[in-house]
Amino acid sequence: SQKIEQNSEALNIQEGKTATLTCNYTNYSPAYLQWYRQDPGRGPVFLLLIRENEKEKRKERLKVTFDTTLKQSLFHITASQPADSATYLCALYTGGFKTIFGAGTRLFVKA
Amino acid sequence: NAGVTQTPKFQVLKTGQSMTLQCAQDMNHEYMSWYRQDPGMGLRLIHYSVGAGITDQGEVPNGYNVSRSTTEDFPLRLLSAAPSQTSVYFCASSYSQPSYSNQPQHFGDGTRLSIL
Repeated sequence: SQKIEQNSEALNIQEGKTATLTCNYTNYSPAYLQWYRQDPGRGPVFLLLIRENEKEKRKERLKVTFDTTLKQSLFHITASQPADSATYLCALYTGGFKTIFGAGTRLFVKA
Repeated sequence: NAGVTQTPKFQVLKTGQSMTLQCAQDMNHEYMSWYRQDPGMGLRLIHYSVGAGITDQGEVPNGYNVSRSTTEDFPLRLLSAAPSQTSVYFCASSYSQPSYSNQPQHFGDGTRLSIL
């Protein structure tokens, strides 16, 4: 079956460290992959998009990698801050009019 | 710009009642969609619209209706509420339909719906 997996366990890290979140998928060939941030009680907010022919994309302290052979994307936040604490969702576009979302990983950055 | 506005923010219904969740966007976006978010699950697509007058079913459409009479508004109707429809509902919009080009979605802050 088609599936997107994000680590359901929360990720706890110390301020200043690099947070790395994983998005794995099976049985998809996504044209692109997106990462969103969701704060409690709020809707998701778009962060970054990476296409199938791109290996890496950066935006300020954020970096996304995309390995279509491993069927995996990694999302990195460098020099993490307590304000980065949130749930991070990955989403795949696989064709048609639909985007498929993962369940998200909660990140806690401790001061 | 207000972005995507959803009302109400919270609602409690009894089984069998009907109601309409409102969604409006002021960005002149063509594509609008409704998702539900349940604990431990990703956002699941209920219905979507690629423009005024055009709607289609998503992954979990049963028990819900939509219409799109204007570009700005995309209401979601629960026909006869059931406890299984207890969830957080998000409306989203994007400039055009998801495709092989870059189209992030803009989300509202959700409606938290409880069905007793």
